[in-house]
Amino acid sequence: NAGVTQTPKFQVLKTGQSMTLQCAQDMNHEYMSWYRQDPGMGLRLIHYSVGAGITDQGEVPNGYNVSRSTTEDFPLRLLSAAPSQTSVYFCASSLNPPRHGNTGELFFGEGSRLTVL
Amino acid sequence: QKEVEQDPGPLSVPEGAIVSLNCTYSNSAFQYFMWYRQYSRKGPELLMYTYSSGNKEDGRFTAQVDKSSKYISLFIRDSQPSDSATYLCAMSAGTDKLIFGTGTRLQVFP
Repeated sequence: NAGVTQTPKFQVLKTGQSMTLQCAQDMNHEYMSWYRQDPGMGLRLIHYSVGAGITDQGEVPNGYNVSRSTTEDFPLRLLSAAPSQTSVYFCASSLNPPRHGNTGELFFGEGSRLTVL
Repeated sequence: QKEVEQDPGPLSVPEGAIVSLNCTYSNSAFQYFMWYRQYSRKGPELLMYTYSSGNKEDGRFTAQVDKSSKYISLFIRDSQPSDSATYLCAMSAGTDKLIFGTGTRLQVFP
């Protein structure tokens, strides 16, 4: 079982460059999300999706774009990388959205470590 | 101020000790409470889930929620070196957003 797969695992960018972090899940999960993890800040929600064609903003969406054209894939795009976007990025998915009546168990990928110089 | 606060630690305890990990929160609408465990260089994984107030026990782990104080706790009995990890609380107000605390790093030494 592959679960949630993130690529690349490591990436170094220069300020102003753009790139896409890939996330794929093979569990037929409706809900997918992107978090960033920084020392002292914990996990912060960037964007999330409750199904194909539907996306919404989380706590820290600025500088990032997402799309959800298929159930399996949820790429995160950095439009013009900045040093403040140096972080570890986690993609997570769950069968149903973490709303009323759902345990909200998220399955996480292993993370993508991004450095912006 | 973040909606969910956690002491970052590190918390260092001897093997066999009882560990208490805590989170406070400010949003009274939170009603779903979770604890995730994260090993170094790995993604978090769900450890415990609790709805509203009360206690829940699973093996050596007990989760407590006190909504009147906006305070949740995770207790680990008979702690083991394999429990060494970062523990993150997470909460939801019944929306599609799961909000995490900053995490507490726990070290259990033999």
